[in-house]
Amino acid sequence: AQKVTQAQTEISVVEKEDVTLDCVYETRDTTYYLFWYKQPPSGELVFLIRRNSFDEQNEISGRYSWNFQKSTSSFNFTITASQVVDSAVYFCALSEWGKLIFGQGTELSVKP
Amino acid sequence: EPEVTQTPSHQVTQMGQEVILRCVPISNHLYFYWYRQILGQKVEFLVSFYNNEISEKSEIFDDQFSVERPDGSNFTLKIRSTKLEDSAMYFCASRKVRDSTEAFFGQGTRLTVV
Repeated sequence: AQKVTQAQTEISVVEKEDVTLDCVYETRDTTYYLFWYKQPPSGELVFLIRRNSFDEQNEISGRYSWNFQKSTSSFNFTITASQVVDSAVYFCALSEWGKLIFGQGTELSVKP
Repeated sequence: EPEVTQTPSHQVTQMGQEVILRCVPISNHLYFYWYRQILGQKVEFLVSFYNNEISEKSEIFDDQFSVERPDGSNFTLKIRSTKLEDSAMYFCASRKVRDSTEAFFGQGTRLTVV
């Protein structure tokens, strides 16, 4: 069965620190899609990135970067120079026949 | 920018009452979903809907739940007889293509059953 594991329940950092959020997934599919979503305190789910299984290039978007490693079934997310506004719950998700299977989420707290 | 709209943002209902949660997906999207998030927990899939029928449902989506797309724009989730454990945030989502595109989520409806 498909599964997404985010082992870090909570992370607390001080502003300007770098932080990496881990995501490990399980799937028997050869083609699959992975996602990261951000849920700020206001509650909505904000899409951050989509990655397909054929593209193992790492991606950088401003202070955000993602490291996809098929060999270890991981799709980790790094925030460089964290800011207070990055405080949120971050979810990793795997797409299976259209539905998203979410991990438990990692609550990131960035303190000034 | 197109967005998924959900109403109401917060609904309080008495146990045993019926509730209807409403969603307007993005207009050129073909796949529609409902998800549930109990406070402090992960987001869980409830049901997917395509071509005017349910394509998949989870074990949470029992006979008390139903979905429909009555007029080609609205997408509704009905809970026939609410229970205390139905209290959660309910998210509607839509996608243009089944797997390769991101799901756009509405802002959620917080359902409180008292």
